[in-house]
Amino acid sequence: QSVLTQPPSVSAAPGQKVTISCSGSSSNVGNNYVSWYQQLPGTAPKLLIFDTNKRPSGIPDRFSGSKSGTSATLAITGLQTGDEADYYCGTWDSSLSVVLFGGGTSLTVL
Amino acid sequence: EVQLVQSGTEVKKPGESLKISCKGSGYIFTNYWIGWVRQMPGKGLEWMGIIYPDDSDTRYSPSFQGQVTISADKSISTAYLQWSSLKASDTAMYFCARHYFGVDGSGSEDSWFGPWGQGTLVTVSS
Repeated sequence: QSVLTQPPSVSAAPGQKVTISCSGSSSNVGNNYVSWYQQLPGTAPKLLIFDTNKRPSGIPDRFSGSKSGTSATLAITGLQTGDEADYYCGTWDSSLSVVLFGGGTSLTVL
Repeated sequence: EVQLVQSGTEVKKPGESLKISCKGSGYIFTNYWIGWVRQMPGKGLEWMGIIYPDDSDTRYSPSFQGQVTISADKSISTAYLQWSSLKASDTAMYFCARHYFGVDGSGSEDSWFGPWGQGTLVTVSS
């Protein structure tokens, strides 16, 4: 059971928007920055969002991150079949002094 | 281009030792932490620990403390993950990744991994 809670799966049609939540506590998501990772089938994870809402170069603006209180959200607009992947949130926990990952969310583009 | 390249697939027997590697290039290796992450078959990402190659300052996840050793050789820009006695439950994919850690003016801590190595598959079976 991960300290950061993500829905196990989400789905939406091509062209639509989907959001993935990452729920934590004040010692992690609530007071620290959040990152998001995309893991396509059979590949290594890739950094999608850092500093809660910043995109590394090369990541399209269809991907965006936000945070409210102790919950962070990854939004993907204009869904494409190539977006089918597992998505993980990550952050630092200040009380435990550890890196935390969410349990992961599998995205299906119907 | 910043890149991390990991050593190849390993097949070992229970009780054997193992050391896998992660070589960085395209950036100043000693300026960033390197992290190790485990992914068991069909499961999510688990943080194992991080090392700062410049002074070998190492932090472990409580789940992995005492189970593995993380080290680095800054002269060849390479980090390592090693086991002294493997178990079947160590069967997994292991990823290294460059780790950024910082604290902003308000005390908020910032931690993220990128880029990632391609992964090293470790299979432990009798």
